[in-house]
Amino acid sequence: AQSVSQHNHHVILSEAASLELGCNYSYGGTVNLFWYVQYPGQHLQLLLKYFSGDPLVKGIKGFEAEFIKSKFSFNLRKPSVQWSDTAEYFCAVDSGNTPLVFGKGTRLSVIA
Amino acid sequence: EAQVTQNPRYLITVTGKKLTVTCSQNMNHEYMSWYRQDPGLGLRQIYYSMNVEVTDKGDVPEGYKVSRKEKRNFPLILESPSPNQTSLYFCASSLSIGGGPYEQYFGPGTRLTVT
Repeated sequence: AQSVSQHNHHVILSEAASLELGCNYSYGGTVNLFWYVQYPGQHLQLLLKYFSGDPLVKGIKGFEAEFIKSKFSFNLRKPSVQWSDTAEYFCAVDSGNTPLVFGKGTRLSVIA
Repeated sequence: EAQVTQNPRYLITVTGKKLTVTCSQNMNHEYMSWYRQDPGLGLRQIYYSMNVEVTDKGDVPEGYKVSRKEKRNFPLILESPSPNQTSLYFCASSLSIGGGPYEQYFGPGTRLTVT
């Protein structure tokens, strides 16, 4: 079965620091890849997604992610985080006609 | 406004008392799903539905039932709730699955406490 690993459970950064959150998946075939964000007390919202084409995907709020097929990875990045980026981030993968599989999430705390 | 609604948002109940959490979407989506979110465990899928009258078990279906009689509604039923079902529940919908990166739209969540 498909699985998604997010290696960092909790990341603490100062404002303006750069962010990279890791995501690896297990399926070897064609995949659709997503990053969702959950701000405190809110529901999940889509940050960005990858289907095909340019492996560097840009999303909302200055986030981007890079798909590296050889590494089965889809890491999320942001050059300079803000306090308002404090949230939980979920990587998710679907492999065709199967339901979306989520990672366990990474909690990001941005301190002033 | 395109949205997924859930009711109730908060519910405190006692062990064994049947309850239903409603979920409705107004986007004509084929695919709907229920998740529970627990600290350290992320989102785990309970049940999903590819279309009307088609439902399938997710990763943690025990103790839950669902039905999909209409395209827009996908209620979650707990016939005999137990304390280990205390959790935050999310309903989600998307146009479809497979063949493209269809975004899932999430409801606001239902925080359930079973005492």
